[in-house]
Amino acid sequence: AQSVTQPDIHITVSEGASLELRCNYSYGATPYLFWYVQSPGQGLQLLLKYFSGDTLVQGIKGFEAEFKRSQSSFNLRKPSVHWSDAAEYFCAVGPTGTASKLTFGTGTRLQVTL
Amino acid sequence: NAGVTQTPKFQVLKTGQSMTLQCAQDMNHEYMSWYRQDPGMGLRLIHYSVGAGITDQGEVPNGYNVSRSTTEDFPLRLLSAAPSQTSVYFCASSREGVAGGGNEQFFGPGTRLTVL
Repeated sequence: AQSVTQPDIHITVSEGASLELRCNYSYGATPYLFWYVQSPGQGLQLLLKYFSGDTLVQGIKGFEAEFKRSQSSFNLRKPSVHWSDAAEYFCAVGPTGTASKLTFGTGTRLQVTL
Repeated sequence: NAGVTQTPKFQVLKTGQSMTLQCAQDMNHEYMSWYRQDPGMGLRLIHYSVGAGITDQGEVPNGYNVSRSTTEDFPLRLLSAAPSQTSVYFCASSREGVAGGGNEQFFGPGTRLTVL
């Protein structure tokens, strides 16, 4: 069965610092990978996705993620964090054929200090 | 487009009561899903539908029923509410066919349910 691990429950960074959120997945074939962001009291918004091709994926709000098959990882990065990036971030993996059956990680809560 | 809408935003139930969480989308999406979100557990899939008249169970279906009579609507029914169903519920939709090259799930704003 597919699974997603986000090893960091909570991360605090200073505004302007770089950010990397870790995501490891377990899946038997080539996965579809997603990063979502959830601001407090809001639904989830898609940041970026990887289906195939270039392993470095650009997303919205200046985020990027790199798919590394050898490490089963899909880490999210941002060169310079803004205070508005404070939110909870979820990595998710989906099987080939349907996006309805997404498996989510437990999330990483990002706090940004000024 | 309104996207994915959910009602109500908040609900308090007593143990044993039943209710229906409403979800609607106006994007003509074939796929719709219900998730629950609990602290430290991320989102877990309850039920999903690949089109009108077709539903299937997800990871945590017990205590919930769904139906899909139209493309637009995908209500979630709690038959006899239990405190363990206290959670935030999200509905999501996506267009058919990941093989088509991209299939983002669009999420509603959520319903916060408390069962006393």
